[in-house]
Amino acid sequence: QLQLQESGPGLVKPSETLSLTCTVSGGSVSSGFYYWGWIRQPPGKGLEWIGNIYYSGTTFYNPSLKSRVTISVDTSKNQFSLKLNSVTAADTAVYYCARRRIQLLSPFDYWGQGTLVTVSS
Amino acid sequence: SYVLTQPPSVSVAPGQTAIITCGGDNIGSKSVCWYQQRPGQAPVLVVYADSDRPSGIPDRFSGSSSGSAATLTIRRVEAGDEAAYYCQVWESSSDVVFGGGTKLTV
Repeated sequence: QLQLQESGPGLVKPSETLSLTCTVSGGSVSSGFYYWGWIRQPPGKGLEWIGNIYYSGTTFYNPSLKSRVTISVDTSKNQFSLKLNSVTAADTAVYYCARRRIQLLSPFDYWGQGTLVTVSS
Repeated sequence: SYVLTQPPSVSVAPGQTAIITCGGDNIGSKSVCWYQQRPGQAPVLVVYADSDRPSGIPDRFSGSSSGSAATLTIRRVEAGDEAAYYCQVWESSSDVVFGGGTKLTV
């Protein structure tokens, strides 16, 4: 059974960089059949797509966040990561990692449990 | 950018039918999926490709899409269906857009 687990600091200071890692078990990030993605949800609000990555390193980012986001993959550790720089309080959210198939228009079919990141001094 | 509009809340009595809408410009030409999110939990896919259900999702859940609106219908609503529901489409072949979510109260 595929499992995704987010990890990283729960508190980040304003203007600094948010860094999270998603560890995949029961499957491989090196599989050519899937994209791996990040989605976030501010407290009490809706979902916002951040971006996706393919095992080759090809990335797709939300245009509204593109200037501040980097998603990378480490196939040796079976992990993929998110970096969001110059954070503000508006970046406070639960961050989810998720998987989708590479077929055109496929949905996110597996999600991690999410991790809350608070931006505060 | 593409905008999806959902009603903030829908209320239904147990055993009745809940209808949750998702509005968007010519959404009928896009592929729509729906996620259920219970409080404190991660979203779960309940409908994809407008009307298909993943394995394990009861057939009480169904979806449709035409023109400027997509619809998630939940028949014989149960207390356990109380959750937020989000629609999602692709603005391009790679960019993902979510609706604002609808809180279903049973």
